[in-house]
Amino acid sequence: GIQVEQSPPDLILQEGANSTLRCNFSDSVNNLQWFHQNPWGQLINLFYIPSGTKQNGRLSATTVATERYSLLYISSSQTTDSGVYFCAVEGGTSYGKLTFGQGTILTVHP
Amino acid sequence: GAGVSQTPSNKVTEKGKYVELRCDPISGHTALYWYRQSLGQGPEFLIYFQGTGAADDSGLPNDRFFAVRPEGSVSTLKIQRTERGDSAVYLCASSPSGGPEWGQFFGPGTRLTVL
Repeated sequence: GIQVEQSPPDLILQEGANSTLRCNFSDSVNNLQWFHQNPWGQLINLFYIPSGTKQNGRLSATTVATERYSLLYISSSQTTDSGVYFCAVEGGTSYGKLTFGQGTILTVHP
Repeated sequence: GAGVSQTPSNKVTEKGKYVELRCDPISGHTALYWYRQSLGQGPEFLIYFQGTGAADDSGLPNDRFFAVRPEGSVSTLKIQRTERGDSAVYLCASSPSGGPEWGQFFGPGTRLTVL
């Protein structure tokens, strides 16, 4: 099946700093989503982005499907951004099934 | 509108017992998914429903696990003869259709602990 690798595994920032999270995947995808899992375990949709670039406030994401990677940018980080960020993909022949990466644990200190 | 809801939020059971976990998807969503998340890992796919039928059950670990969605809305994940290794957070998600245009929306999960 499709493989998803996220980097870095851990990231520690001071409030106000910017960061870039990366997701590499091993095959073509129908769907790519970025999620934030908050400390209570809720998975929050950030972006549905199988290709192209999207922005939502301080967050933006870019997926280059031909090169099989996606990037999540967080600008002016806040303590509430802390948590685990997951990239998940739906492979080209696996409709409906999301395969998740291992996640990036982000800690933002005040 | 309301998001995906799951009940119970926590379930503690003894090894060998039977459990049922319930998922209420977002109203109007035709596709429903179950995932399982172990500590420190990303969620792992279990099963995907399109309407009442299971479109892909390739993630169910063995025949102790079964899921139904009889009326195309609420779904129940059933685990027989629970084992300690079944302890995890069980997540449910829904989407407007089998197509991925908006992605999958997740519920808060049910934390299952098998003693």
